[in-house]
Amino acid sequence: DAKTTQPNSMESNEEEPVHLPCNHSTISGTDYIHWYRQLPSQGPEYVIHGLTSNVNNRMASLAIAEDRKSSTLILHRATLRDAAVYYCILVRGGSEKLVFGKGTKLTVNP
Amino acid sequence: GAVVSQHPSRVICKSGTSVKIECRSLDFQATTMFWYRQFPKQSLMLMATSNEGSKATYEQGVEKDKFLINHASLTLSTLTVTSAHPEDSSFYICSAPPGQRLRTDTQYFGPGTRLTVL
Repeated sequence: DAKTTQPNSMESNEEEPVHLPCNHSTISGTDYIHWYRQLPSQGPEYVIHGLTSNVNNRMASLAIAEDRKSSTLILHRATLRDAAVYYCILVRGGSEKLVFGKGTKLTVNP
Repeated sequence: GAVVSQHPSRVICKSGTSVKIECRSLDFQATTMFWYRQFPKQSLMLMATSNEGSKATYEQGVEKDKFLINHASLTLSTLTVTSAHPEDSSFYICSAPPGQRLRTDTQYFGPGTRLTVL
């Protein structure tokens, strides 16, 4: 499985945008970039995913570098409920298996 | 949206006993489900892939005789921790991909089961 690298932790203030980076320099052409988040004492929750183009949904935006070796999850206005561990995961096309790395623990300050 | 449930949410047992954890997909059928284990302050570790109607596939280093998986129907997978010991205390999480019918590549996770072995 191709590896991803994320900062261990990040801090943000409430109602400000948050940019969570992910490096995946060994990504292959059929790997999708998925983001999940896990709130304390809960199971993970799907956030967004993409292949090559930038993606937007009601939760977040995903910006993918042109060479696909990095991506950024963007939370447009952080709320206290966004405090969680965010995982960037590469998923081979056709595979359903998710392999979690260490993720980024996001702290949102009021 | 698609929902996955787990039961029980929390269990405390004595060392040497067996514990069964259920994972159900509530509004979709899942031919495949996944089981994870998460120790405090660590990431999720994939334990096994549960396949409906066939044997589970275990990840390297996971004892299949200790962690019995049964996927008897398209909406239910069970994980049985046999002869549990304190080192098996962990947060167990299942997931299921809703697949083609719901036209999504995502997975839905259960809320987790906290196992404490005394």
